[in-house]
Amino acid sequence: NAGVTQTPKFRILKIGQSMTLQCAQDMNHNYMYWYRQDPGMGLKLIYYSVGAGITDKGEVPNGYNVSRSTTEDFPLRLELAAPSQTSVYFCASSHQVSGTEAFFGQGTRLTVV
Amino acid sequence: ELKVEQNPLFLSMQEGKNYTIYCNYSTTSDRLYWYRQDPGKSLESLFVLLSNGAVKQEGRLMASLDTKARLSTLHITAAVHDLSATYFCAVHYTGTASKLTFGTGTRLQVTL
Repeated sequence: NAGVTQTPKFRILKIGQSMTLQCAQDMNHNYMYWYRQDPGMGLKLIYYSVGAGITDKGEVPNGYNVSRSTTEDFPLRLELAAPSQTSVYFCASSHQVSGTEAFFGQGTRLTVV
Repeated sequence: ELKVEQNPLFLSMQEGKNYTIYCNYSTTSDRLYWYRQDPGKSLESLFVLLSNGAVKQEGRLMASLDTKARLSTLHITAAVHDLSATYFCAVHYTGTASKLTFGTGTRLQVTL
């Protein structure tokens, strides 16, 4: 089973460039999330979605955008990359059932220089 | 403000010893998760705790939940080197559409 798939695994961006981090899940999960993890820290929620066409801001949404046109895909867009966005980004998904844990992708390590 | 605090942040322990990691959270929660993360890797789900008094065990790890005290513990019994990793608790706050708030993690190093 593929689970949650993120691409790319690594990326270096120059300040001011834009990019899209891709996330796809094949578990038919309603809920999807984007987190960032800074070195030595826990995860902070950027955006989340409870279903196709529905997205909402998390704790640290500034500088990011998302869309959810299908159940499977939840891309994260970085506009005008800044060094503060250097981080590891994790996509996760979970089913709309109480107690179901979130499944995480392998992460995208992004460096902005 | 939703807060999840773990302690200790770093734990170095010898093989064979026991220890407990603590996770305190700031307001009512209906479920709590424990995850493991190896260096440079993703997060692996260990336990889901759904109710007051819940206890779950897997191998040398045992997790418990006290919702009245807003406290979860992850107890390590007779540690082995393979348990070296960072452990996160994550709390789902009632009514927040399945969003999780993570603790800062406890980096566990088990030495020979």
